[in-house]
Amino acid sequence: KQEVTQIPAALSVPEGENLVLNCSFTDSAIYNLQWFRQDPGKGLTSLLLIQSSQREQTSGRLNASLDKSSGRSTLYIAASQPGDSATYLCAVLNQGGKLIFGQGTELSVKP
Amino acid sequence: EAGVAQSPRYKIIEKRQSVAFWCNPISGHATLYWYQQILGQGPKLLIQFQNNGVVDDSQLPKDRFSAERLKGVDSTLKIQPAKLEDSAVYLCASSQKAGYEQYFGPGTRLTVT
Repeated sequence: KQEVTQIPAALSVPEGENLVLNCSFTDSAIYNLQWFRQDPGKGLTSLLLIQSSQREQTSGRLNASLDKSSGRSTLYIAASQPGDSATYLCAVLNQGGKLIFGQGTELSVKP
Repeated sequence: EAGVAQSPRYKIIEKRQSVAFWCNPISGHATLYWYQQILGQGPKLLIQFQNNGVVDDSQLPKDRFSAERLKGVDSTLKIQPAKLEDSAVYLCASSQKAGYEQYFGPGTRLTVT
């Protein structure tokens, strides 16, 4: 059974810092991995999607990497801003076609 | 392109009452999903539709939850009777096909008192 774990559960950093969010999964047989952002009271916004054959994806200040063999992904946020404050969720699409989520990392960027 | 629409956005009910949520997916998306997100946790899939057929409802508490997707477009999720532990955000998502990128609606926040 696929399990997705995110560490840390919460993170507080000063503005301008570079930071890394971690995601691990137990079954490497995945189709893709996706990082989402969730603002309080809102739905999920897709940030980056990495296909199983890819190693990383970049969008602006965000870079996500995928190491399928070790069951790990990282989301790197450069030069963090207060507007980056949100919960970040990692999810893997398993070969049954089901999206399995981690519990999220709550990020707070202080001005 | 319009996104996934959900209503209502918020609902407060007493335990043992019934409630229904509505979802309108992105036009042309064949696959529709309902997720339950309890505070502090990631979303958990309740049910997946392919057009108007159920693909996966293994995590749906069928004694109290039901869902339908008539005509393969809009969908409703119903809870009857509600329990305190049903308090959560209910998210609807859609994708062009199963396995493709999913797009999420804003969710319905349910509070059961």
